[in-house]
Amino acid sequence: TQLLEQSPQFLSIQEGENLTVYCNSSSVFSSLQWYRQEPGEGPVLLVTVVTGGEVKKLKRLTFQFGDARKDSSLHITAAQPGDTGLYLCAGAGSWGKLQFGAGTQVVVTP
Amino acid sequence: EAQVTQNPRYLITVTGKKLTVTCSQNMNHEYMSWYRQDPGLGLRQIYYSMNVEVTDKGDVPEGYKVSRKEKRNFPLILESPSPNQTSLYFCASSLATPTDTQYFGPGTRLTVL
Repeated sequence: TQLLEQSPQFLSIQEGENLTVYCNSSSVFSSLQWYRQEPGEGPVLLVTVVTGGEVKKLKRLTFQFGDARKDSSLHITAAQPGDTGLYLCAGAGSWGKLQFGAGTQVVVTP
Repeated sequence: EAQVTQNPRYLITVTGKKLTVTCSQNMNHEYMSWYRQDPGLGLRQIYYSMNVEVTDKGDVPEGYKVSRKEKRNFPLILESPSPNQTSLYFCASSLATPTDTQYFGPGTRLTVL
């Protein structure tokens, strides 16, 4: 059972368009992380959100943590082909565990 | 260079033949963990270790063993591999807890025939 549900599973857009990826859970997390994974490589951390309602910006990427700390979203403005990748959210569960969502595959075509 | 290394990167084996995938980090991290990645399922945690000699089950520990005798090494052992363990495996480490930045290894592609 996936504790963290990501949607959509797949997203294909044209360069310059905007997109939003969602990460939802019925559980409360002390923090949520977003990673991006490219083919043949391990995931790389993009951001960690900690406070309910927090918004963090990383260039064209905007991350939001829900007020109740159960959900998060990733918004990309004016997507570029370099944004192509698998986006994963992750939350720390019970003592020591880290759980990932199934991921959203984003493809940005020129 | 700070990194997590895994070996081998690719492995094809047969059912029942014991194997070990090594993982080593040079960042003096306390937290280490193993994941398997399967299409549509994302990363699922197999085992994690908060420190030397301390290991705990993740969400999918069946069929796997680990050990943490030294801080830098966290090998994954498959005593009797089966075809359903065919997967892409990642080792990761972080400073102290799962909420710290996870640094992933390059992955090990395992095929069990």
